[in-house]
Amino acid sequence: GDSVTQMEGPVTLSEEAFLTINCTYTATGYPSLFWYVQYPGEGLQLLLKATKADDKGSNKGFEATYRKETTSFHLEKGSVQVSDSAVYFCALTLPNFGNEKLTFGTGTRLTIIP
Amino acid sequence: DTAVSQTPKYLVTQMGNDKSIKCEQNLGHDTMYWYKQDSKKFLKIMFSYNNKELIINETVPNRFSPKSPDKAHLNLHINSLELGDSAVYFCASSYARGGTDTQYFGPGTRLTVL
Repeated sequence: GDSVTQMEGPVTLSEEAFLTINCTYTATGYPSLFWYVQYPGEGLQLLLKATKADDKGSNKGFEATYRKETTSFHLEKGSVQVSDSAVYFCALTLPNFGNEKLTFGTGTRLTIIP
Repeated sequence: DTAVSQTPKYLVTQMGNDKSIKCEQNLGHDTMYWYKQDSKKFLKIMFSYNNKELIINETVPNRFSPKSPDKAHLNLHINSLELGDSAVYFCASSYARGGTDTQYFGPGTRLTVL
């Protein structure tokens, strides 16, 4: 079945460090890929997405590129801030009707230390 | 303006009780979802409705019954609550079917079964 494998957490970094959270997927067909973020006590917010191979999603300094050849969608940020502390979820959906669900990875908890 | 809202935010109840969670979206979306987030933060789809029609029902116990009175509302009724139902339940919505659209999440309802 379709699945998302995400880097195990928790991840702790110092402010201004470089961030990478790895995400790989297994899917039949051509999925759309998403990164969602969950701040403490809140719901999920879309961080960025990419709907086809080689697309790059970006938002708030975060980037991820849809790599079909390696089935990956790694999240990166050049200089993290304390306010980036949250749980990050990689997810996919498939384009076929009747299967619109988001399939999530297990989430990666990120803590940024001042 | 709240895009996807859920009530209540917290729900504490005894085993065996019946409870409902309500969800409303004011985004004009056609498709709505219920997801369950367990204590380890893992998120899994439960149901999806498109224009009041059930399109996804993922191996969820019969004690869970979604109801969509119109396309802006999707409620979740749970009968005979069990300890294992304790979780955070998220409602979400998207514009159309097909998987490429962003799903927008509500703030979540934390259900605790004692």
